Amino acid sequence: AQKVTQAQTEISVVEKEDVTLDCVYETRDTTYYLFWYKQPPSGELVFLIRRNSFDEQNEISGRYSWNFQKSTSSFNFTITASQVVDSAVYFCALSEGRGTGGYQKVTFGTGTKLQVIP
Amino acid sequence: DAGVTQSPTHLIKTRGQQVTLRCSPKSGHDTVSWYQQALGQGPQFIFQYYEEEERQRGNFPDRFSGHQFPNYSSELNVNALLLGDSALYLCASSRTGSQPQHFGDGTRLSIL
Repeated sequence: AQKVTQAQTEISVVEKEDVTLDCVYETRDTTYYLFWYKQPPSGELVFLIRRNSFDEQNEISGRYSWNFQKSTSSFNFTITASQVVDSAVYFCALSEGRGTGGYQKVTFGTGTKLQVIP
Repeated sequence: DAGVTQSPTHLIKTRGQQVTLRCSPKSGHDTVSWYQQALGQGPQFIFQYYEEEERQRGNFPDRFSGHQFPNYSSELNVNALLLGDSALYLCASSRTGSQPQHFGDGTRLSIL
């Protein structure tokens, strides 16, 4: 069974600080996908990044960066120079392989609520 | 280009009633998944539809059922509503063989 653990329930940082959101996953599959989604107070889940299990390269997109390490089953997310608009709940998610007609179900972590204080 | 649209936005029902939620996928998408998100929790996978058939199912009772239409839109039906069914119900769509899923704004269901 697949599982995603986000141990940090809530994090508060002061604007312009860097913050790292942790994600640890469990899967028996060798082919899987990892995701990060942002959920602002409005409720919509906004896709941020996807990583497949064969690509361990770190990625940077503006102030966002992701560190994928298969050896520790972690996929951590760092926001550099945080801004108030970054305040939201962030979810890490895992999808195993490819199912019939598409992809397998996506398993989400419990989320980390980030509050950026001005 | 419209994204994933869900209706209604909010819904209030009483225990024992039945409810139908609707979802129109993003243009070009043919796969629809439904998730239940309780307050303070991550979304929980209910089921996924492709080619008008349920392809994957999470740990939800048979009271939860769905349908996908030829135009790829989908409905989620919940019978015999319980207080614990109160949640945000999210619909996500994707194109076969590709990721990621795109989510709608959700339907907030409250059971009294």
